Amino acid sequence: DTGVSQDPRHKITKRGQNVTFRCDPISEHNRLYWYRQTLGQGPEFLTYFQNEAQLEKSRLLSNRFSAERPKGSFSTLEIQRTEQGDSAMYLCASSAPGPIYGYTFGSGTRLTVV
Amino acid sequence: AQRVTQPEKLLSVFKGAPVELKCNYSYSGSPELFWYVQYSRQRLQLLLRHISRESIKGFTADLNKGETSFHLKKPFAQEEDSAMYYCALRAGRGAQKLVFGQGTRLTINP
Repeated sequence: DTGVSQDPRHKITKRGQNVTFRCDPISEHNRLYWYRQTLGQGPEFLTYFQNEAQLEKSRLLSNRFSAERPKGSFSTLEIQRTEQGDSAMYLCASSAPGPIYGYTFGSGTRLTVV
Repeated sequence: AQRVTQPEKLLSVFKGAPVELKCNYSYSGSPELFWYVQYSRQRLQLLLRHISRESIKGFTADLNKGETSFHLKKPFAQEEDSAMYYCALRAGRGAQKLVFGQGTRLTINP
């Protein structure tokens, strides 16, 4: 296990197109998180899964965004009808069960909407 | 609502000088505080957490509930400490999401 993997590393898309990102967490981590980071800002929470259940979703997340974790392993984040404001780094993280653990982050997917 | 403030976007110190990166938070309950670091061309990684009371790479941070602060300190800066540092808060044991500050870019000058 080489840590949290995200694919692709970079994505350039035209406004209005749909995009999908994939995250493979550390295998023994049952918790998975998606964050978004724009230039000059810290990561901003999008959504959280425990196993396959999506337990929390940010109110900032528009209905163009959807995330799944169908078998409690990898997760996908889809953005429909992309807008220029969606341009950001999308980070995935996972953590082991238990309150004291921090996250292990992936390298992120950088999305550019043109 | 939870909020984390890192008042300095940029901090520059000389090698061997003491370093303090400030972090203030807003939360009425008992938070869990973390420091994350991102070195150049690397992914964001956990540096330390207040609950462990640990010292990592010479860095320490003390949770001051009276001042709602969790400042990161190191007595003697090294060039390899140059990185982006983020303070983060988790709203107690039942919460999952982390709320991050805007980050401080630390540069250690030779």
